Amino acid sequence: GEDVEQSLFLSVREGDSSVINCTYTDSSSTYLYWYKQEPGAGLQLLTYIFSNMDMKQDQRLTVLLNKKDKHLSLRIADTQTGDSAIYFCAETVGSGGGADGLTFGKGTHLIIQP
Amino acid sequence: NAGVMQNPRHLVRRRGQEARLRCSPMKGHSHVYWYRQLPEEGLKFMVYLQKENIIDESGMPKERFSAEFPKEGPSILRIQQVVRGDSAAYFCASSNGVEQYFGPGTRLTVT
Repeated sequence: GEDVEQSLFLSVREGDSSVINCTYTDSSSTYLYWYKQEPGAGLQLLTYIFSNMDMKQDQRLTVLLNKKDKHLSLRIADTQTGDSAIYFCAETVGSGGGADGLTFGKGTHLIIQP
Repeated sequence: NAGVMQNPRHLVRRRGQEARLRCSPMKGHSHVYWYRQLPEEGLKFMVYLQKENIIDESGMPKERFSAEFPKEGPSILRIQQVVRGDSAAYFCASSNGVEQYFGPGTRLTVT
């Protein structure tokens, strides 16, 4: 079955890099996503990666995918107070070419220390 | 280009009443998804619709819950005879392929 696991909390100092990790169980995952949720708000799509890629970089964000170990990570460079939020890892599995429903982890609370 | 819109943002219902949640997808998007988020939990997929069709309802409870996306107008998630366990945030997302964009959610409280 599908399962996505994340650590619940991560604490980093302002200016350092944050690395949020995620593991998934379904080897037929097609796309993997990172979303950000601030208190009381909806989810903001940060980035996503196709399963045949190893890495994707977008400004301060770097996504690494280890398909063999079913491990996904999100690195945020130069972490700022505005990065404080819950970060969700998600995958889509199925034959819909990425248009299927997403399976989410429980989210990682990123806490920024001054 | 307006984002995904949901209304109401907050909804209070007494046990046994009906709840109707509305979602207007982003302009040009033909795929709509509904998710439920319980406190301190991730989002759980409920249903995936395209215009006038339910594509995947594998996450929908078998009873009391239904969803539609008519040819005209918003997508509707309907919960009949609500119970306290239905209290949650319900999020809608829209897409035209790979990227799903989420609305702000409807927070349902059942008293």
